[in-house]
Amino acid sequence: SQQGEEDPQALSIQEGENATMNCSYKTSINNLQWYRQNSGRGLVHLILIRSNEREKHSGRLRVTLDTSKKSSSLLITASRAADTASYFCATDVRGGTSYGKLTFGQGTILTVHP
Amino acid sequence: EAQVTQNPRYLITVTGKKLTVTCSQNMNHEYMSWYRQDPGLGLRQIYYSMNVEVTDKGDVPEGYKVSRKEKRNFPLILESPSPNQTSLYFCASSFRQGQAGANVLTFGAGSRLTVL
Repeated sequence: SQQGEEDPQALSIQEGENATMNCSYKTSINNLQWYRQNSGRGLVHLILIRSNEREKHSGRLRVTLDTSKKSSSLLITASRAADTASYFCATDVRGGTSYGKLTFGQGTILTVHP
Repeated sequence: EAQVTQNPRYLITVTGKKLTVTCSQNMNHEYMSWYRQDPGLGLRQIYYSMNVEVTDKGDVPEGYKVSRKEKRNFPLILESPSPNQTSLYFCASSFRQGQAGANVLTFGAGSRLTVL
């Protein structure tokens, strides 16, 4: 199964509300990243959190990492209609021989209603 | 502008007709990779390349070939396409700073391939 699995698969909220997406993974990681994809387009990197970090902020984004539970969460505060997109977590595996390989989850589809 | 460029963006072809999807990056990145995206399966890595003339299989390499003769280009070749290769394909590149460095990917816009 996938190294990273997001939850929920789909999330629908109103503008101004907060959106929280979760990601679980199986093996030890070097870092965990979150990407955003607008419908049918390329993924865009949002934020990275290293294995020795617990929380990271970037604008309206807040990411947490719990390595003991092998899980991460992405919080988008004060959401906007323009935040409507799919969000993917990606794990960079620690000590892997596969340089350059990120393993992606299946994504959370976020819909923000105006 | 720093970018990854894929071509073609859309392609409809028939079973068995060889095709190549080109990928080029202008950021002098060492690492390049190909992913395919399918509903319910997320993104799965096909092949990746650590540098010129160095390539390796990803999770779903069957039916695909790649080459890395130049640092900026990493074409994906389907020698004999089949309908199960109908998918949305993404090329991505990255620069990883050393063993412990982060591997942050820059993606192309995607190539939607339909094999009839």
